[in-house]
Amino acid sequence: EDQVTQSPEALRLQEGESSSLNCSYTVSGLRGLFWYRQDPGKGPEFLFTLYSAGEEKEKERLKATLTKKESFLHITAPKPEDSATYLCAAGYGNKLVFGAGTILRVKS
Amino acid sequence: GAVVSQHPSRVICKSGTSVKIECRSLDFQATTMFWYRQFPKQSLMLMATSNEGSKATYEQGVEKDKFLINHASLTLSTLTVTSAHPEDSSFYICSATRTVGTEAFFGQGTRLTVV
Repeated sequence: EDQVTQSPEALRLQEGESSSLNCSYTVSGLRGLFWYRQDPGKGPEFLFTLYSAGEEKEKERLKATLTKKESFLHITAPKPEDSATYLCAAGYGNKLVFGAGTILRVKS
Repeated sequence: GAVVSQHPSRVICKSGTSVKIECRSLDFQATTMFWYRQFPKQSLMLMATSNEGSKATYEQGVEKDKFLINHASLTLSTLTVTSAHPEDSSFYICSATRTVGTEAFFGQGTRLTVV
């Protein structure tokens, strides 16, 4: 069964305290691994797409990496405005299978 | 980046009435649009996939007669919740992709409350 699991469910960080979010997947025929950010009451905002193991992408304080079984979203020196729910999704065919998300809270 | 606009952002309706939600890709032509439902503190659940000019493909367990999807053009898809009941209250979100296999861009979501 195609499945995406994210951990931890929730993460509290102090401002400047770097950490990583994990996304493990079991999807046959993966065509891409996608990361999104979702703020309360809003639709997900696209962050990154990773297509092959070993690929890395960066945007400001975020860096996403991909292996054959999991993806990591590294957050370096986070700020309070990075607080949000981070969703990963595995693509197969023309669909996305979403994980449950990691709720990140960054305190100043 | 690509922009997807969804309207309305909030709607309250009486039980038994129908509600239409619009999803538009503003700066690109979307080959495929998707409709999701999201419950509080849960992830997105895919309801259906629609391609312009063809019938929508519904996920297992989604009632196609209750959730009518029309994809009239490459930039517009609509979801109509027919004969809405309180259990249909939820956050509905659409997304669109330029081509198969590429990233999907999401609308702002619609909070539906049925009273």
